Amino acid sequence: AQSVTQPDIHITVSEGASLELRCNYSYGATPYLFWYVQSPGQGLQLLLKYFSGDTLVQGIKGFEAEFKRSQSSFNLRKPSVHWSDAAEYFCAVAGTGNQFYFGTGTSLTVIP
Amino acid sequence: DTAVSQTPKYLVTQMGNDKSIKCEQNLGHDTMYWYKQDSKKFLKIMFSYNNKELIINETVPNRFSPKSPDKAHLNLHINSLELGDSAVYFCASSRQGGNYEQYFGPGTRLTVT
Repeated sequence: AQSVTQPDIHITVSEGASLELRCNYSYGATPYLFWYVQSPGQGLQLLLKYFSGDTLVQGIKGFEAEFKRSQSSFNLRKPSVHWSDAAEYFCAVAGTGNQFYFGTGTSLTVIP
Repeated sequence: DTAVSQTPKYLVTQMGNDKSIKCEQNLGHDTMYWYKQDSKKFLKIMFSYNNKELIINETVPNRFSPKSPDKAHLNLHINSLELGDSAVYFCASSRQGGNYEQYFGPGTRLTVT
């Protein structure tokens, strides 16, 4: 069965520091993977997606993610975090019928 | 120019009432979804409609009934509201098949008192 695990419930980083949010998936075939961001009181916004091809994908707001099949991972990274990046981040894998399976989310706090 | 819109944004009601949440998308997508986000931020799909036809119906109480008058709209009607229904409900849409990304609405925060 498809599933997504985000091991870190909450992460705190200093502004300007680098960031890596972890995501592990379970899926039998080639996965379609996504990262979404949810700012407080807002809906989910797509940051980036992986369907095939280059395993390093670039997204909006300076984010990137790397697909590693051997580790069943799709970790999200940003070289320098801004205070406006404080939000909830969700990793998702698409299953049959385009049903999305979301991780439990990682809450990011950015300190000055 | 809102892609996926929901109304209302906030909904406060008493137990036992019946309420509806409306969703509209102007992206020309064929597939629409309803998700429930609980207090711990966990997102769970409730329903999925493709061209007005129900294709995913997760285990939700039958008090919840989706209605799709056309492929641009997917409304959620909830009968006999219970305290446990309090959550944020998100509508989303996507192109048909092929595991395309989903576009989310701003959410409706439902509070049942």
